[in-house]
Order: sequence, then structure tokens, then C-alpha cells
Amino acid sequence: DQQVKQNSPSLSVQEGRISILNCDYTNSMFDYFLWYKKYPAEGPTFLISISSIKDKNEDGRFTVFLNKSAKHLSLHIVPSQPGDSAVYFCAASEDAGGTSYGKLTFGQGTILTVHP
Amino acid sequence: DAMVIQNPRYQVTQFGKPVTLSCSQTLNHNVMYWYQQKSSQAPKLLFHYYDKDFNNEADTPDNFQSRRPNTSFCFLDIRSPGLGDAAMYLCATSRRGRGRTYEQYFGPGTRLTVT
Repeated sequence: DQQVKQNSPSLSVQEGRISILNCDYTNSMFDYFLWYKKYPAEGPTFLISISSIKDKNEDGRFTVFLNKSAKHLSLHIVPSQPGDSAVYFCAASEDAGGTSYGKLTFGQGTILTVHP
Repeated sequence: DAMVIQNPRYQVTQFGKPVTLSCSQTLNHNVMYWYQQKSSQAPKLLFHYYDKDFNNEADTPDNFQSRRPNTSFCFLDIRSPGLGDAAMYLCATSRRGRGRTYEQYFGPGTRLTVT
């Protein structure tokens, strides 16, 4: 049972345009969400996160949107650059009551390709 | 630079021959994690340490063990590797504070091949 799903295995975007990566989750106990970026032969690198008390978090070109009622989050990259080409993973955590060890449940990843 | 280091980057072992993967960190984080990632799949948590407190995921096979002799080092032991254990193994670290999740910092991974 996959609790975090990224239904698009790949996305291709032109440089300068917006990239939108989507993620759905089923566990209503998740209350913290993260996006990671992974280049070949490297480990995932933290990109941006959002708490369930917010619906938007922005960091430079990266914005994450959270729709709790739909159990959906998205990552927007504007403008997209060729260096953004990588695999993007969304991840979720439940931290209710402070008993969590920060366990992350990951989606399968979306391969983003930004063409010059 | 503070970082998470994994050795070796590539490991080939024979079916049934025990193998150990290592992870070290200079971030002084109190939580360390081991993930298994197979091709085109999500990283799957095997277990984690909060300081010396070991936490095994319910579906982690008994074939997988871990040791954390000190804050900086953590080892993944596969007692009798099978062909199905071929994967990328990722080590990660994080701080932990009660009531919130901190982001995890990953090493580059060890690609395990079982022949």
C-alpha cells in the first residue's frame, strides 16, 4: 500500500517555463511534507518543505503548495533551468504528539528534464 | 564541509556471502537512517537509530542488521545476501526535536550487486 504517490514518472519542460510536479498521499496523519532532488550518482538533497498548518511555502524559484482536503501537494519551479533536470521525490512525515523519529515515506519520484 | 559519507560507493558480493556497508557523518546529528532503493522505486526505510536507540521497521527482513558504535558511524550488515537484495543503499541523518520533523541529509549511496 503506497501512501505517497507521484503519478507522473517523467516531465519535460522548456527552459524558462514553469515546471509543476505533483504528489498525492493517502495517510491523513501526515503533517509535514518535503521535496528532495536527486542527481545521478548522488544522494537525495533536501529542497523545500511545508507544514500542514500552511498551504504555501516559497523559497526563491521553488514554491510548494499543499491542499489538505485533496491530500495533494505540488512543487512549482519558476523559471525552470537546465540545471533543474533531476529526479524529484516528495516525502511525508507524521509528527503528531512529538513521538515521531522523523520517519519519511517517499514517493517513487518524477524525472524532470528541462530543455534549453 | 559537514557531510554524510558512504563507503564503498559500489559493492559486489556473492550470493550468501555477508557484506557490510558503512556510513559516517560530520553533522553531529543524533538520528541516522538506512534506506533501500530499488530501481524506479521510492526509497524504503529499513531502520533508524535515535542516539543508541535502535528502531526496526516491521517489514525489514531479519537478514538486515545494523550497528551504531558511536554518533558518527553506522553500519548496515547483510548476513546472507540474496539476488533480491541488489539495490542502492542510502544512509541519512537528521536532528530530532520533540514535536517536529527535521529534514534528512543523505549520503551518495552504495550500489550493491549480488552475483
